Amino acid sequence: EVQLVESGGGLVQPGGSLRLSCGASGFTFGSYYMSWVRQTPGKGLEWVADIKRDGSEMYYVDSVKGRFTISRDNAKNLVYLQMSSLRAEDTAVYYCARRGRDDYNPLFDYWGQGILVTVSS
Amino acid sequence: SYVLTQPPSVSVAPGKTARITCGGDNVGTKTVHWYQQKPGQAPLLVIYYDKDRPSGIPERFSGSHSGNTASLTISRVEVGDEADYYCQVWDFTTDHCVFGTGTKVTVL
Repeated sequence: EVQLVESGGGLVQPGGSLRLSCGASGFTFGSYYMSWVRQTPGKGLEWVADIKRDGSEMYYVDSVKGRFTISRDNAKNLVYLQMSSLRAEDTAVYYCARRGRDDYNPLFDYWGQGILVTVSS
Repeated sequence: SYVLTQPPSVSVAPGKTARITCGGDNVGTKTVHWYQQKPGQAPLLVIYYDKDRPSGIPERFSGSHSGNTASLTISRVEVGDEADYYCQVWDFTTDHCVFGTGTKVTVL
């Protein structure tokens, strides 16, 4: 059974940093792109970042470029989201998601339960 | 940036049909996926590649694609279908994933 479990969320002050982790199990981790998607309370879904299977390429939404870094450890089946220079508008539930195998029509076939990040003084 | 527009809400009586649209520039040239999100839960893929259903998704859920609009249709709506629904595409010009604005389906 595929499982994705996020950790590391919480309350952080504006300008601060936080690292989210996502532990994966139930599939061959290194064979899949992994992603982070967020959802502002009461609002819609926003894709945040993707990382290629071997960690060699990363993609980001413009609003987090230069502030967030996605990385992965295939030996430990973990994907991370390092967030710095956090702003109030980064407050959201962050979901770890597995991208499907089709690189030409990317979709998210499994999601974690989500973790709340609150940026506030 | 690429935008996918959905109606904010759709109301439907039990047993009737709900249709959710997803509009965007040249969306007819893109592959559309659909997600269901119930309160307090993570999104769930319900339609992929415009019209295919993952295993476990009832046949009542169907997808279609015509011109500049993609649609998710829920037939014989049940109370348990009440949720937010999002369409999603990949914008290869920017290598960005794009989600639709979301539609709240209310079962009257």
